[in-house]
Amino acid sequence: GESVGLHLPTLSVQEGDNSIINCAYSNSASDYFIWYKQESGKGPQFIIDIRSNMDKRQGQRVTVLLNKTVKHLSLQIAATQPGDSAVYFCAEGQAGTALIFGKGTTLSVSS
Amino acid sequence: GAGVSQSPSNKVTEKGKDVELRCDPISGHTALYWYRQSLGQGLEFLIYFQGNSAPDKSGLPSDRFSAERTGGSVSTLTIQRTQQEDSAVYLCASSPPTGTETQYFGPGTRLLVL
Repeated sequence: GESVGLHLPTLSVQEGDNSIINCAYSNSASDYFIWYKQESGKGPQFIIDIRSNMDKRQGQRVTVLLNKTVKHLSLQIAATQPGDSAVYFCAEGQAGTALIFGKGTTLSVSS
Repeated sequence: GAGVSQSPSNKVTEKGKDVELRCDPISGHTALYWYRQSLGQGLEFLIYFQGNSAPDKSGLPSDRFSAERTGGSVSTLTIQRTQQEDSAVYLCASSPPTGTETQYFGPGTRLLVL
């Protein structure tokens, strides 16, 4: 079946560095992609989303890049802070359907 | 405003017992989703409600799992004759009327079946 996967299960960075978390997706029909952040003991928290008619979208300290040619999605976090430590999930979907989630990348930020 | 709420936050039960998990979506949100997350894993879709339409039950793992949504708002996920492999975090999400796919998640219910 269709699935969304992440390239690396863990990523360790130093405070102040820029972080890049990658994700590969397989469903060409997906037209909506989301990044979620999940802290221990909490539900996933929406970070940023992007539609398939875009290739880049910026938020506060975060940027999502979409490459439809190779079905690749990335999340860039600028000036990573200890509070950014969490598990990051990418998800793909279409209007009116449940999201398909990857397994997640654990980001660890050390001071 | 208030986010998605779920209750109980934690539930410990014995194998074979039935459990009910509750979700209160964000007011005005017409879509409601249930997911399951096993330890260290991603989210597994269970069931999806959209307005008054018939729910999408394609993700329910067995007939021991069922869900209902009363009055287009509160939803209850019921697991009958629980098994140890049902132990997981059960997450509920809701999204606004058509026009956005962003789903907002509750804190989850941590279910442990002994």
